[in-house]
Amino acid sequence: ETGVTQTPRHLVMGMTNKKSLKCEQHLGHNAMYWYKQSAKKPLELMFVYSLEERVENNSVPSRFSPECPNSSHLFLHLHTLQPEDSALYLCASSQRDGPYEQYFGPGTRLTVT
Amino acid sequence: GENVEQHPSTLSVQEGDSAVIKCTYSDSASNYFPWYKQELGKGPQLIIDIRSNVGEKKDQRIAVTLNKTAKHFSLHITETQPEDSAVYFCAVPSRGSQGNLIFGKGTKLSVKP
Repeated sequence: ETGVTQTPRHLVMGMTNKKSLKCEQHLGHNAMYWYKQSAKKPLELMFVYSLEERVENNSVPSRFSPECPNSSHLFLHLHTLQPEDSALYLCASSQRDGPYEQYFGPGTRLTVT
Repeated sequence: GENVEQHPSTLSVQEGDSAVIKCTYSDSASNYFPWYKQELGKGPQLIIDIRSNVGEKKDQRIAVTLNKTAKHFSLHITETQPEDSAVYFCAVPSRGSQGNLIFGKGTKLSVKP
């Protein structure tokens, strides 16, 4: 489908669990992004990594912890989440110095019970 | 910061008709205007984009027009087909954040056979 893959595609977790989302891009890009997509809300940018360094954190609660070990992989570690954190979590990649085209993965549908 | 407004939020057309979705933005320095299509269960996919040095770009049945003076750009889909049914998002670059995009709230397009 695209050059960006995400696992798992679906995840159900309790509020006390710890889980991780994984993203991998095969496009040779040097920037990766995490977005949150809730019902009836626009895409909310959470984190940006450029050349494996976090360059942006949009006031995301500390229960979300990103990790970027190299330019092809991005993780989102989750712990003690709240039911309102249930959403579709999308990963994207691009070339950081423009021309801005971002390519998205299929997303992970997260349900917090 | 940059602001992007997208209208309408929902659009229903008969197969074969045309569909138009419009976005307005606030930053006159914006120079890149992409449109994304998101089908059910998938991540957004870039379908067409335009840069500020041209007023119109066409790719088969889809086109994007840009009016820099009025600060708006539109997605045009002609001869709509049921497979065009999806949510469409516009985006503009985030001022001061190289590579970041700000997305509109989306338009749910339904094409009735």
